[in-house]
Amino acid sequence: GAVVSQHPSRVICKSGTSVKIECRSLDFQATTMFWYRQFPKQSLMLMATSNEGSKATYEQGVEKDKFLINHASLTLSTLTVTSAHPEDSSFYICSALRTGSLYYNEQFFGPGTRLTVL
Amino acid sequence: AQKITQTQPGMFVQEKEAVTLDCTYDTSDQSYGLFWYKQPSSGEMIFLIYQGSYDEQNATEGRYSLNFQKARKSANLVISASQLGDSAMYFCAMRGIYNQGGKLIFGQGTELSVKP
Repeated sequence: GAVVSQHPSRVICKSGTSVKIECRSLDFQATTMFWYRQFPKQSLMLMATSNEGSKATYEQGVEKDKFLINHASLTLSTLTVTSAHPEDSSFYICSALRTGSLYYNEQFFGPGTRLTVL
Repeated sequence: AQKITQTQPGMFVQEKEAVTLDCTYDTSDQSYGLFWYKQPSSGEMIFLIYQGSYDEQNATEGRYSLNFQKARKSANLVISASQLGDSAMYFCAMRGIYNQGGKLIFGQGTELSVKP
């Protein structure tokens, strides 16, 4: 099956620093990737849609300058949490949509990154 | 706008029994897909089953089956012969085929606990 990796799996940082999370599709090309945020015992909330070679599309209420997304290649999207604060502590999950596929379940999830901001 | 509703925050089931997790949805799309995912405590999202809006038969995958009632806009997940390893969060999700760019909208989730 298709594999999506995320790095790091866990990160602890001080308030005010920036943190970059990578999402890679290992054995397929992904024109589109998605970034979700999940608080404990809650659902996944879509933050943004990342499209290779173009600007990300952010969901309403998500700060573009706070959560920078770059989809530089067909296998890599990055999420940078800038000037992180304790309220940004959360579980961040990416998913990758296999290029050319909007049907069936051609969307694959990464294992997630747990961010803790002190 | 699309919306997914899971009204059962938590469910208990005895090992080896069947359990139904409820999911209702709302959409104006004619073509859409419905998904169920399992999320154990490790956090990974595990795909369980998919139902397309034009599929006439209910989807089945091993011990998982999806009770799809289009007129009622419900897509309940049935797990047969529950196992202790089934204890996890379960999310129902929907994706519009044409209008949503492939993004998934998730329900609130149901936490399933399987008792020995």
